[in-house]
Amino acid sequence: NAGVMQNPRHLVRRRGQEARLRCSPMKGHSHVYWYRQLPEEGLKFMVYLQKENIIDESGMPKERFSAEFPKEGPSILRIQQVVRGDSAAYFCASSERQEETQYFGPGTRLLVL
Amino acid sequence: KNEVEQSPQNLTAQEGEFITINCSYSVGISALHWLQQHPGGGIVSLFMLSSGKKKHGRLIATINIQEKHSSLHITASHPRDSAVYICALMEYGNKLVFGAGTILRVKS
Repeated sequence: NAGVMQNPRHLVRRRGQEARLRCSPMKGHSHVYWYRQLPEEGLKFMVYLQKENIIDESGMPKERFSAEFPKEGPSILRIQQVVRGDSAAYFCASSERQEETQYFGPGTRLLVL
Repeated sequence: KNEVEQSPQNLTAQEGEFITINCSYSVGISALHWLQQHPGGGIVSLFMLSSGKKKHGRLIATINIQEKHSSLHITASHPRDSAVYICALMEYGNKLVFGAGTILRVKS
């Protein structure tokens, strides 16, 4: 049973470009969470999705960021018109049910030049 | 005041020592996670607990819900245990709120 997969592992973008980060949850998991770790800072919650639905997006910046978890395929975190401050490690986690152990992916390290 | 406080921030130990990392919190939770993160690496979920004590190998985690406190213990520490250990609260609603982490270095 493969773990949570994220790709790409490293992503370099220039200011103003778009970044798409993908997360495939563990098999059988329908709950997906995105977290961000800024340089020298702790992890922060961004968004919680369950198949086709956004359950909690209280941690998402109001502009330029969006997330989806379609019926088929991975969850996508999309950042439009990236700025240098978006440089961070973005981690995805998944769980089988609510309030159960969350398993983390290896992260995507985004660098904005 | 942060919802979750970890101590110590940094910890250096000799191989073989018994290590304790503490986590105190101020809000109601449904459960608490202990996570391990190696430098530049991913995050491994060590424990999720909502009461009592759990053990896995040389790792033991305890939680006291009334006192809002949890501890992670490492017995017979080894240099490969060197990592950042993070306490994360699962507040009602599923999202995790993370402590700042404890940087552990175990010297041989």
